[in-house]
Amino acid sequence: AQTVTQSQPEMSVQEAETVTLSCTYDTSESDYYLFWYKQPPSRQMILVIRQEAYKQQNATENRFSVNFQKAAKSFSLKISDSQLGDAAMYFCTLTQGGSEKLVFGKGTKLTVNP
Amino acid sequence: NAGVTQTPKFQVLKTGQSMTLQCAQDMNHEYMSWYRQDPGMGLRLIHYSVGAGITDQGEVPNGYNVSRSTTEDFPLRLLSAAPSQTSVYFCASSYRPGTGGRRGTEAFFGQGTRLTVV
Repeated sequence: AQTVTQSQPEMSVQEAETVTLSCTYDTSESDYYLFWYKQPPSRQMILVIRQEAYKQQNATENRFSVNFQKAAKSFSLKISDSQLGDAAMYFCTLTQGGSEKLVFGKGTKLTVNP
Repeated sequence: NAGVTQTPKFQVLKTGQSMTLQCAQDMNHEYMSWYRQDPGMGLRLIHYSVGAGITDQGEVPNGYNVSRSTTEDFPLRLLSAAPSQTSVYFCASSYRPGTGGRRGTEAFFGQGTRLTVV
């Protein structure tokens, strides 16, 4: 069975500062994909960043980057230059390559303080 | 481009009532799924479909039925609502793995339905 663990139910950061959200996962598959989804108060789920397990290079999307440690099964999200609009619930998510079923962590609520 | 459209956005039901949550997508995605989101639980898979006429159970299927008669639509039916089904429900769609070389593609979500069963 696949599992995703987010050990930080809540985090806070000052505007313009950097914050890292933690995620660990477990899977016996070698072909899998990891995602971070953002859920703002509007409830809409938005893809932030995607990582293929077979790629060693860490994914980046503008101010968002990941630290993918495959051996440790760790997939943390770093948000640089935090903005008020980054305030949201963030979900770490895993899927196997041959399936589109998503396994979600319990989420981390990020607060951005002005 | 509408993406994934879910209706209704809010619903209150009495225990024992039935209802259908509607989901439609216009991206020609083969894969569609329903999740429920409960506080402190993340999202959990209820049912999914890999194409018209094919459905299967996810992690928490009890009390729910689905059907997939067209590629576009994937309704979720609550047969006899219970307070334990109070939740926020999300429909999602994506490409089926392998089609056109796609794997691990982005899932697109509807805006969610907040359901309260009293």
